[in-house]
Amino acid sequence: AQSVAQPEDQVNVAEGNPLTVKCTYSVSGNPYLFWYVQYPNRGLQFLLKYITGDNLVKGSYGFEAEFNKSQTSFHLKKPSALVSDSALYFCAVRESSGTYKYIFGTGTRLKVLA
Amino acid sequence: DGGITQSPKYLFRKEGQNVTLSCEQNLNHDAMYWYRQDPGQGLRLIYYSQIVNDFQKGDIAEGYSVSREKKESFPLTVTSAQKNPTAFYLCATRQAGETQYFGPGTRLLVL
Repeated sequence: AQSVAQPEDQVNVAEGNPLTVKCTYSVSGNPYLFWYVQYPNRGLQFLLKYITGDNLVKGSYGFEAEFNKSQTSFHLKKPSALVSDSALYFCAVRESSGTYKYIFGTGTRLKVLA
Repeated sequence: DGGITQSPKYLFRKEGQNVTLSCEQNLNHDAMYWYRQDPGQGLRLIYYSQIVNDFQKGDIAEGYSVSREKKESFPLTVTSAQKNPTAFYLCATRQAGETQYFGPGTRLLVL
């Protein structure tokens, strides 16, 4: 079965420090991977995606993610965290069956401390 | 959220009542989705539609119904058969590529 795992419910990081939010996946075939961010009582905002090509993907607001096929991971990173980055982050994968269904992780709450 | 509107922002349902959540988009996207979000469970797919007059059940369709009569609109009805409807409901669209875009959400509460 295809799945996405975000092993950390919450990540705390000091402002100015690098941050990493972890995501691992299990799909058959080539994965299509996504990161979204959600602020309280709002919809999800698209950050970045990996479809094919360079394993390091750059996205909005200075975020990037590294696709690692051997470790089946797609961790979200940022070199220097801001307090305004505090939010709920979701990793998602598109099912490879051609149905255009997406599977979301359970989310990781990022808290950046001033 | 731009281009996708969901209304109302808050909705209250009485026991035994059907309620309808609105989702409208002006992005000219063919595909539309409905998700339910509960704390600690991420997003779960209720229904999705790839094209007008066609839709498929997602993973948790029981107690819900949809229609897709117009490209711009994909309303979700929460029926009285849905015994635990309290959640945050998110509508999304998808462009020709892979990326989904989400509306601002509707929070459904039970009186």
